[in-house]
Amino acid sequence: AQSVTQLGSHVSVSEGALVLLRCNYSSSVPPYLFWYVQYPNQGLQLLLKYTSAATLVKGINGFEAEFKKSETSFHLTKPSAHMSDAAEYFCAVSLTGTGGGNKLTFGTGTQLKVEL
Amino acid sequence: ETGVTQTPRHLVMGMTNKKSLKCEQHLGHNAMYWYKQSAKKPLELMFVYSLEERVENNSVPSRFSPECPNSSHLFLHLHTLQPEDSALYLCASSQARGNNSPLHFGNGTRLTVT
Repeated sequence: AQSVTQLGSHVSVSEGALVLLRCNYSSSVPPYLFWYVQYPNQGLQLLLKYTSAATLVKGINGFEAEFKKSETSFHLTKPSAHMSDAAEYFCAVSLTGTGGGNKLTFGTGTQLKVEL
Repeated sequence: ETGVTQTPRHLVMGMTNKKSLKCEQHLGHNAMYWYKQSAKKPLELMFVYSLEERVENNSVPSRFSPECPNSSHLFLHLHTLQPEDSALYLCASSQARGNNSPLHFGNGTRLTVT
């Protein structure tokens, strides 16, 4: 069965510093991977997705993620943090199998804090 | 109006009440989902409807009853809930085909069971 593990439930960075949020996946087949962001009192918003077309995926708000099969990782990065990036970030993997729809399994989330 | 809309945003109910959560999507999708988000726990997939048929029911207690009358609307009927059911309930939609089709989420209904 597919699963994702997010290392670090809380990450704190200074404004302007590099953001690195970690996600490792477990899958017996090439997975589809997603990063979502959740701001307070809102639902989840898609940041980016990996669908095997390219290993480096660029998303919204300056975020990107690199798929590394050898490390089973899909870490999220942003070169320079902004105060508005403070939110909770979720990594997700798509379950394969029969049936319609796209049944995502989510990690436990990483709360990003950005300090002045 | 675009996107995925959930109503109400907040709901407080007693354990003997009956209430319903509503979700509507304007994205032309044909799969809809209910997720439960509790504090300090991963998002839990509750139900999936694809082409208006329920294709997933993750061992959810019968006090939660979903309904999908058409591809744009999804309901979650609630009755005799327990305090541990207090959580944020998120609705999402996507295309039914393809595991790379991203889910689009609503802003959720914050449910408190007293």
